[in-house]
Amino acid sequence: QKEVEQNSGPLSVPEGAIASLNCTYSDRGSQSFFWYRQYSGKSPELIMFIYSNGDKEDGRFTAQLNKASQYVSLLIRDSQPSDSATYLCAVYSGGGADGLTFGKGTHLIIQP
Amino acid sequence: DARVTQTPRHKVTEMGQEVTMRCQPILGHNTVFWYRQTMMQGLELLAYFRNRAPLDDSGMPKDRFSAEMPDATLATLKIQPSEPRDSAVYFCASGLAGTSGGPRKTQYFGPGTRLLVL
Repeated sequence: QKEVEQNSGPLSVPEGAIASLNCTYSDRGSQSFFWYRQYSGKSPELIMFIYSNGDKEDGRFTAQLNKASQYVSLLIRDSQPSDSATYLCAVYSGGGADGLTFGKGTHLIIQP
Repeated sequence: DARVTQTPRHKVTEMGQEVTMRCQPILGHNTVFWYRQTMMQGLELLAYFRNRAPLDDSGMPKDRFSAEMPDATLATLKIQPSEPRDSAVYFCASGLAGTSGGPRKTQYFGPGTRLLVL
């Protein structure tokens, strides 16, 4: 059973600070990792993907991957109230299947 | 601007009625996924198609749910008969098949169908 674990939160961060969201996964053979943002009442939208160990930066967002520890994180710098949402971690395990395994998400609140 | 579309966006029905949800995947995508999202369970995969063939429907209650893909531009999810516990948001997502990982495995979500069964 492939599992993706996230702290459900809520995670409360003051505006302008760094928000750190974490995700662990059970399948050691997992290949690709995705972060989706979901605003209340809306559908998940892709923020970033990462598939190599290390950091990947895109604007205010940085994804970090450590395959040895089976850990992926998302950092949001200079947090804005508009970043308040639920962040879903998703993992692709390969093996010929196409699906992603999603965590249940972390609810992030940016306090003005 | 390529998007996944879903209809209807909202549906209120009475227990026992049939519900049909439709999805149009992004043109050129050959995988389609149906998810159900609730507060308690998060995103649950119900069914998935590759090149219109159903590959996994293990997450779907077989006695009342059915999923089909009559052509490459339409996927349907039916519930018959519907029950109050089916109340949830149903998302369709599309993507690309293949063994390579990375960005090719990105799934793009439609706006969802919010279903309420009374």
